[in-house]
Amino acid sequence: NAGVTQTPKFQVLKTGQSMTLQCAQDMNHEYMSWYRQDPGMGLRLIHYSVGAGITDQGEVPNGYNVSRSTTEDFPLRLLSAAPSQTSVYFCASSKGHNNEQFFGPGTRLTVL
Amino acid sequence: GDSVTQMEGPVTLSEEAFLTINCTYTATGYPSLFWYVQYPGEGLQLLLKATKADDKGSNKGFEATYRKETTSFHLEKGSVQVSDSAVYFCALNAPSGTYKYIFGTGTRLKVLA
Repeated sequence: NAGVTQTPKFQVLKTGQSMTLQCAQDMNHEYMSWYRQDPGMGLRLIHYSVGAGITDQGEVPNGYNVSRSTTEDFPLRLLSAAPSQTSVYFCASSKGHNNEQFFGPGTRLTVL
Repeated sequence: GDSVTQMEGPVTLSEEAFLTINCTYTATGYPSLFWYVQYPGEGLQLLLKATKADDKGSNKGFEATYRKETTSFHLEKGSVQVSDSAVYFCALNAPSGTYKYIFGTGTRLKVLA
């Protein structure tokens, strides 16, 4: 079991560029989420999914898109990167509503 | 809306000292409560959880009790070790019907030998 994997580990973008952060899990979890972690602000939920084909917005969804075509994958798309999106991004998955979330190792994104 | 408030860090302790990290929450209904730990350069991992009032979660010597009357879920450990140095996050998950975890800002703990 690889658990939750994220790629890339590090990324530098210029303002206005687009990119996709990849997230995959091999635990057959229905629930998946994307968070961003900023100093002094903890983790904030960007988008989440409760199953293939079902996604919803979290606390800070603007500037990000997601889709969930398979149970395993939950990519996060930055449409037009802005310096305010400089952050560490974590993907997480869980078996059910109140179950433990398993986190990936994170992607450190810098937008210049 | 729902929220979680944690004590500010960093917290610096000597090895074998007693640890308390305060966490209070605001939520409608009866949320589930969690403590996660993040070691340097890693993602978060679950430390313990409690799903109803008066439940006590425990793991690796850490404990926290779900107190509905004070809306609190304070993390405690009787004797900390250098290896406990990490950032600790309190979190809640709203009652069923949503899947929106709310995290506190995190408390950095540094344990000195």
